[in-house]
Amino acid sequence: LAKTTQPISMDSYEGQEVNITCSHNNIATNDYITWYQQFPSQGPRFIIQGYKTKVTNEVASLFIPADRKSSTLSLPRVSLSDTAVYYCLVGDRGAGSYQLTFGKGTKLSVIP
Amino acid sequence: DAGVTQSPTHLIKTRGQQVTLRCSPKSGHDTVSWYQQALGQGPQFIFQYYEEEERQRGNFPDRFSGHQFPNYSSELNVNALLLGDSALYLCASSGVTYEQYFGPGTRLTVT
Repeated sequence: LAKTTQPISMDSYEGQEVNITCSHNNIATNDYITWYQQFPSQGPRFIIQGYKTKVTNEVASLFIPADRKSSTLSLPRVSLSDTAVYYCLVGDRGAGSYQLTFGKGTKLSVIP
Repeated sequence: DAGVTQSPTHLIKTRGQQVTLRCSPKSGHDTVSWYQQALGQGPQFIFQYYEEEERQRGNFPDRFSGHQFPNYSSELNVNALLLGDSALYLCASSGVTYEQYFGPGTRLTVT
């Protein structure tokens, strides 16, 4: 399984755009990149998933360069409620069948 | 439509005891995965059940066992509890798509 590296923590002011970069040098051809968000004492929540280039949904964008060795999660105009831990995961997409391998994640603190 | 539910919410056990945690998957999901999350760490994969069989297993000892029922609900059993088993236990369900939906977890404290 590809190993991921992401910053331990980040601070941001309300209303700013936040970009969290994840490094995954050993990503395999079949691997997808997935981001989860977790609030204290809750289960992780799926944010976004992508394979290459750019993916956007109602809450975030995911930028993946051509070599796919890194990816950037972009959260537009964060609010205090976005304070959470964000996990970058890499794995075979396979119909929900793959085990999710979580690192320590990035603790994002949004400051008023 | 209820999401993934887990019971109980909190549990306190003594070293050496056994515990059973329960999970009901999201409607329409047939695959259940269990994760252990220690304080300050990311969730660690324990095992996954599909069609009432254990399909994948992480690096956990045999003290951790599970079961999936015909209605797709699942149980996680831990025998001979150790202090180090204290953690948040998360259940996730999935179906034909790739996304795993997590429940709120069961907080297990071993004293």
